[in-house]
Amino acid sequence: AQSVTQLDSQVPVFEEAPVELRCNYSSSVSVYLFWYVQYPNQGLQLLLKYLSGSTLVKGINGFEAEFNKSQTSFHLRKPSVHISDTAEYFCAVSLGASGGSYIPTFGRGTSLIVHP
Amino acid sequence: DGGITQSPKYLFRKEGQNVTLSCEQNLNHDAMYWYRQDPGQGLRLIYYSQIVNDFQKGDIAEGYSVSREKKESFPLTVTSAQKNPTAFYLCASSIDIGIGANVLTFGAGSRLTVL
Repeated sequence: AQSVTQLDSQVPVFEEAPVELRCNYSSSVSVYLFWYVQYPNQGLQLLLKYLSGSTLVKGINGFEAEFNKSQTSFHLRKPSVHISDTAEYFCAVSLGASGGSYIPTFGRGTSLIVHP
Repeated sequence: DGGITQSPKYLFRKEGQNVTLSCEQNLNHDAMYWYRQDPGQGLRLIYYSQIVNDFQKGDIAEGYSVSREKKESFPLTVTSAQKNPTAFYLCASSIDIGIGANVLTFGAGSRLTVL
């Protein structure tokens, strides 16, 4: 079975500063990886996904993530954050090969708090 | 626009009462899911359904029940057997559960508070 660890429960940062939200996964087979964002009292929406190919994935709102197989990581980055990026961010993993559940497993979430 | 509609957005319930949360999608998706969200615990899977008239328990199914009589609808009933039902409930759907590139579309959620 796959699992996801988001290393930081909360990340405070000042506006226009860079940010990195960390995600590590555990799986014995190949995986697909996702980042979702949740604004207050709303559902989740997809930021970006890694399925195959280039390890650097670009998403919406200027976010990007890098898949690192050797370190089993999929960290999310943004070079300059805005107040409107304040939200909860979830990393998720699903199996990329047959023989298991394709239902994504979600991490516990990281709360990004952008200060003016 | 296609999407998922959850209702009600806020719901208050007395202890011992059952309550049903509605989830409707017009995306023509085969798979539907119910997640429970508690602060600091992420999303936990309650039930999922791959096709009409079929559903499976997730990680925390005790005290919950579902039905899937129509492709578009996947209501969740929180029964009086659920010991700690106060939470934010999210419904989601996806094209097909049988592929790893399984991108979920979420509804806006229903917040249930037990008084």
